[in-house]
Amino acid sequence: GAVVSQHPSWVICKSGTSVKIECRSLDFQATTMFWYRQFPKQSLMLMATSNEGSKATYEQGVEKDKFLINHASLTLSTLTVTSAHPEDSSFYICSARDSRLGEKLFFGSGTQLSVL
Amino acid sequence: SQQGEEDPQALSIQEGENATMNCSYKTSINNLQWYRQNSGRGLVHLILIRSNEREKHSGRLRVTLDTSKKSSSLLITASRAADTASYFCATEAANYQLIWGAGTKLIIKP
Repeated sequence: GAVVSQHPSWVICKSGTSVKIECRSLDFQATTMFWYRQFPKQSLMLMATSNEGSKATYEQGVEKDKFLINHASLTLSTLTVTSAHPEDSSFYICSARDSRLGEKLFFGSGTQLSVL
Repeated sequence: SQQGEEDPQALSIQEGENATMNCSYKTSINNLQWYRQNSGRGLVHLILIRSNEREKHSGRLRVTLDTSKKSSSLLITASRAADTASYFCATEAANYQLIWGAGTKLIIKP
């Protein structure tokens, strides 16, 4: 079945540094990638949607200069949290959709970010 | 994204019993999907039901959809300890945007 590989699984960094999270589709073409943020015991909060080769569409309230998304190929999307601060600490999850496979989303395993 | 509503927020049952979770939404939909999330992990797609379908089965899972009431239910029969997880519904609106429910935390006691 379709697999989405997300790494790192967890990262601890100092305040002010940038962190890059990668999301790869291993056996399908991720025509659309979604990036979510999830706080403990809460649902997913969509941050942005990206289509391969296009600029990401950010949800209201999400700073595009802080959360840089690159979807340069059909198998790779990256989320870079720039100048991270403790309030950016969260669980970040990517998901991918291949339009040829229908409406189902395939999720990465998530990245727990802790900013000290 | 506007969230749908799920109830209960949490459910604890004995292994072997059936578990039922409900999801309500507000807009017209193309389909409704159920996902499962183990603690600290990504989500796994369980089942998708289209707006013109009323019931769907997959193994021990049964999903119903009532578009007149804008609600869906997920039934897990003969629950197992391994079913312990959070379950989320997501509705795909006409503009293809997914709207997520708040989730139900299911605990199966052995």
